[in-house]
Amino acid sequence: DTAVSQTPKYLVTQMGNDKSIKCEQNLGHDTMYWYKQDSKKFLKIMFSYNNKELIINETVPNRFSPKSPDKAHLNLHINSLELGDSAVYFCASSQDGGRARGYTFGSGTRLTVV
Amino acid sequence: KQEVTQIPAALSVPEGENLVLNCSFTDSAIYNLQWFRQDPGKGLTSLLLIQSSQREQTSGRLNASLDKSSGRSTLYIAASQPGDSATYLCAVRMGNQFYFGTGTSLTVIP
Repeated sequence: DTAVSQTPKYLVTQMGNDKSIKCEQNLGHDTMYWYKQDSKKFLKIMFSYNNKELIINETVPNRFSPKSPDKAHLNLHINSLELGDSAVYFCASSQDGGRARGYTFGSGTRLTVV
Repeated sequence: KQEVTQIPAALSVPEGENLVLNCSFTDSAIYNLQWFRQDPGKGLTSLLLIQSSQREQTSGRLNASLDKSSGRSTLYIAASQPGDSATYLCAVRMGNQFYFGTGTSLTVIP
């Protein structure tokens, strides 16, 4: 199946831990994104990579670090997790910045910090 | 800075009704606008994409319109069905980013 796939789907962890979320797309897109959806359903961009190069780096704590080993993968590593990090994190991809076909989203990772 | 608003925040209709969801944005210098559907606990499914030069797009029972100059888009759903129940999000692309609205939660009552 052609898609954007994220793992894990659910992640429950304790405060202070370090965790990673992985994202892979097999659509041949050149740009990948991480979005955070808060409890009010609002989606806010965190990072964007184009061909492994960081192009959007919104104001997020530096405990969040994206890593793109190649243009088909964009992982999100979070250090020293805090309660406020609990949210749903969505990975997305697009070709040519989404001009022609918009964005394709993964199914999300629900992170719960306890 | 771009702000995207969706009204109403929640909508409940009986099955079979036609309905309209609204999306407004403050900066008309958009590249395109995309409507998504999100089912509870699931990801976002793209429904329709309208380029800034277009007025509307249709897919099955869905019709999306765009009035860029007034900063508005509508999503029209014909003959609603219980399976249409979900949260509907609009997003506008400007520069390098998509700006999302807060969504309209739709419930179609059988």
